[in-house]
Amino acid sequence: GEDVEQSLFLSVREGDSSVINCTYTDSSSTYLYWYKQEPGAGLQLLTYIFSNMDMKQDQRLTVLLNKKDKHLSLRIADTQTGDSAIYFCAESKVTGANNLFFGTGTRLTVIP
Amino acid sequence: DGGITQSPKYLFRKEGQNVTLSCEQNLNHDAMYWYRQDPGQGLRLIYYSQIVNDFQKGDIAEGYSVSREKKESFPLTVTSAQKNPTAFYLCASTPTGGTYGYTFGSGTRLTVV
Repeated sequence: GEDVEQSLFLSVREGDSSVINCTYTDSSSTYLYWYKQEPGAGLQLLTYIFSNMDMKQDQRLTVLLNKKDKHLSLRIADTQTGDSAIYFCAESKVTGANNLFFGTGTRLTVIP
Repeated sequence: DGGITQSPKYLFRKEGQNVTLSCEQNLNHDAMYWYRQDPGQGLRLIYYSQIVNDFQKGDIAEGYSVSREKKESFPLTVTSAQKNPTAFYLCASTPTGGTYGYTFGSGTRLTVV
């Protein structure tokens, strides 16, 4: 199956780290993605990780992948008010359809 | 600059009307997608197209129709058969065989009045 699950809400204080979690069920997934959606806007690709990697770091963002547990996380260091948004994880497989399967999204609220 | 453009940003539909949402991309992407987003829910796939003149139903295609006459364009029609069309609609595109994820438009918010 292609179920991707996320918790719906997360609140953190400005300057703290945020950790957004995601679980997926399809072990054949090849790429996993994190998208950010600001209010009233489309989704913006933040980062992605190939399934043979354990970790990927990009400035304030760290992606951790536990393939055995099918668990993906996004850590945002030094969270700012501008990071308040909905974050979606998504998985894809190398098939002709190129379809991504999205989680329900986690709404991150950063408290000043 | 390359990108994907959705129009209009806001759209109001009367009961019983068909409306068409526009999606245009100049990224030379082969595949295009339409998603529906409701508050507190994730993205649900309506239709997708991997090549010109071909498209496939997604999870919630009932009450919607699409066409793909040009590579750049993938319009979505919300028909009167769609009983609850009020939602935020997102269009996306990607190169075939790519690992780049999707590029999304900025969305169209459709409201039934």
